Amino acid sequence: GAGVSQSPSNKVTEKGKDVELRCDPISGHTALYWYRQSLGQGLEFLIYFQGNSAPDKSGLPSDRFSAERTGGSVSTLTIQRTQQEDSAVYLCASSLRGGRQGTNEQFFGPGTRLTVL
Amino acid sequence: QQPVQSPQAVILREGEDAVINCSSSKALYSVHWYRQKHGEAPVFLMILLKGGEQKGHEKISASFNEKKQQSSLYLTASQLSYSGTYFCGTDLLGGNKLVFGAGTILRVKS
Repeated sequence: GAGVSQSPSNKVTEKGKDVELRCDPISGHTALYWYRQSLGQGLEFLIYFQGNSAPDKSGLPSDRFSAERTGGSVSTLTIQRTQQEDSAVYLCASSLRGGRQGTNEQFFGPGTRLTVL
Repeated sequence: QQPVQSPQAVILREGEDAVINCSSSKALYSVHWYRQKHGEAPVFLMILLKGGEQKGHEKISASFNEKKQQSSLYLTASQLSYSGTYFCGTDLLGGNKLVFGAGTILRVKS
């Protein structure tokens, strides 16, 4: 079966422009996560979706960042008025379910490498 | 709240053993371990829950000391394929927000 897919794989943009990053989770996975990984750094949690709702948005670094998920499947992470410090690899992951006692492994996509000039 | 991983990096020869540690300042519900090879996505290795339940790949060994809020990943008889960066992710509430450590870089040489 197909894994988590993300598009685009690479995105170069100019400072101040908006970008949209897309994540297609594994079919049937109700939980979806966005992380950011700066060069040589660990994984920084951004947001978590259970179905279409986002019970935890605590990791979004500023109000320039937003995310939505439609139909309990595809998710889009939008960064408005991009800044150079937004440059990073944005990783999406999905798992079978969320909620308390979440013991399900997360399957990661290949990531989108965002470069803001 | 980021867990602290140690060591930051380790170099092994094939066949040698290594231990990677993950420490938290807060009580943990579970610890998750992932490995990431250069330029690739992180791959699941193991979940350890309070109470002793574990879920993961058979060839991976790990421990979770709830009292000390620590977990250790044991890599025995290392192979070249073990090379990569190992991340622990900690879950405080049994929910779904994992806070990952900075990673431990493991390099296995022939």
